[in-house]
Amino acid sequence: SQKIEQNSEALNIQEGKTATLTCNYTNYSPAYLQWYRQDPGRGPVFLLLIRENEKEKRKERLKVTFDTTLKQSLFHITASQPADSATYLCALVSNFGNEKLTFGTGTRLTIIP
Amino acid sequence: GAGVSQTPSNKVTEKGKYVELRCDPISGHTALYWYRQSLGQGPEFLIYFQGTGAADDSGLPNDRFFAVRPEGSVSTLKIQRTERGDSAVYLCASSSQRQGSLRTGELFFGEGSRLTVL
Repeated sequence: SQKIEQNSEALNIQEGKTATLTCNYTNYSPAYLQWYRQDPGRGPVFLLLIRENEKEKRKERLKVTFDTTLKQSLFHITASQPADSATYLCALVSNFGNEKLTFGTGTRLTIIP
Repeated sequence: GAGVSQTPSNKVTEKGKYVELRCDPISGHTALYWYRQSLGQGPEFLIYFQGTGAADDSGLPNDRFFAVRPEGSVSTLKIQRTERGDSAVYLCASSSQRQGSLRTGELFFGEGSRLTVL
């Protein structure tokens, strides 16, 4: 069956370090992958989109990679700050014309001052 | 303009009752999505509208769930004979572009409606 897994439920990182979150998928042929941030009690907020033919995308302190051979995306936050603490969700769009955005379970990131 | 608006923000109901959840998308957005999110989980797709029509309702769990978007803007998610397992946050999202929007753009989510079935 199709599965999207984010490697850990919770991740604690020291302020100033780089946080790296992992998204792995199986039995899926994604055309596009998106990352969202969700704060407690709020809806998800879009961060970045990367296409299957792109290896890397950057936005300020954020970097996303997409490896369709490994079936994996990595999400990096450099120079992390306590304000980066949130749950981060990866989401896939299928290659087969389906507009359904399928989400992973999310990783709760805490940046420790 | 305003973002996606969802009402009510909280709804507590008894098992067996009927519930309606409303979503007011960003003005001009043609695509509208409903998701359900349980504690500690990612959002789970329910249904997708393009204009007034349901383009994909494959995520609706059973026939107790139904959604409409009669004029292509506001949408209502309707749940009949609620069960305790229906308790979750129901998220609505909209997008500005036609078919293929998720390949180039993003979803704008509301804050959700938290449903508790006692």
